[in-house]
Amino acid sequence: DQQVKQNSPSLSVQEGRISILNCDYTNSMFDYFLWYKKYPAEGPTFLISISSIKDKNEDGRFTVFLNKSAKHLSLHIVPSQPGDSAVYFCAASAGASGTYKYIFGTGTRLKVLA
Amino acid sequence: DVKVTQSSRYLVKRTGEKVFLECVQDMDHENMFWYRQDPGLGLRLIYFSYDVKMKEKGDIPEGYSVSREKKERFSLILESASTNQTSMYLCASSSLGGGVVTQYFGPGTRLLVL
Repeated sequence: DQQVKQNSPSLSVQEGRISILNCDYTNSMFDYFLWYKKYPAEGPTFLISISSIKDKNEDGRFTVFLNKSAKHLSLHIVPSQPGDSAVYFCAASAGASGTYKYIFGTGTRLKVLA
Repeated sequence: DVKVTQSSRYLVKRTGEKVFLECVQDMDHENMFWYRQDPGLGLRLIYFSYDVKMKEKGDIPEGYSVSREKKERFSLILESASTNQTSMYLCASSSLGGGVVTQYFGPGTRLLVL
């Protein structure tokens, strides 16, 4: 049972436009969410996070939105750049329960076209 | 600068061989994790450890074991490698809770079992 879902396996966006990557979760105990970016042959690198007490967190070109009632989060990249082409994973954790582990989605491959 | 290193970037082993994958972190983190990444399946947790000599099964522990004799080192062992264990293996570490808990990943080991 996939608790964290990224339903779009791939996404193509023109350079300079907005990229929107989506993530849905089923476990209402999840209270902390992260986005990771992964290039081929490298480990994932942390991008941005959000806790359930917020509905938005912004860091430069990256903004994460959390809709708790819909159990949905999204990552917005504005403006998109060719170097943003990578696989993006969302991850969720039930931190308040003392769980240390994250559940990852299946990833979305973003391609930014020059 | 945080650092998680993995002993090999690429490995080729034969079916039935015993395989050791080592991971070392220099951040004095309590928690360490082993994942495997497969196309369309995202990152799946194999085992994690929240302290020296402590371990817990993740979502797919079958065919694997782990060892954590020192805080900085977490080893993944494939007791008898099989072709369905061909995958990208990723190690990660994180500190204990207290709000922001980010996992830092190593570069990955791509294992091919023939």
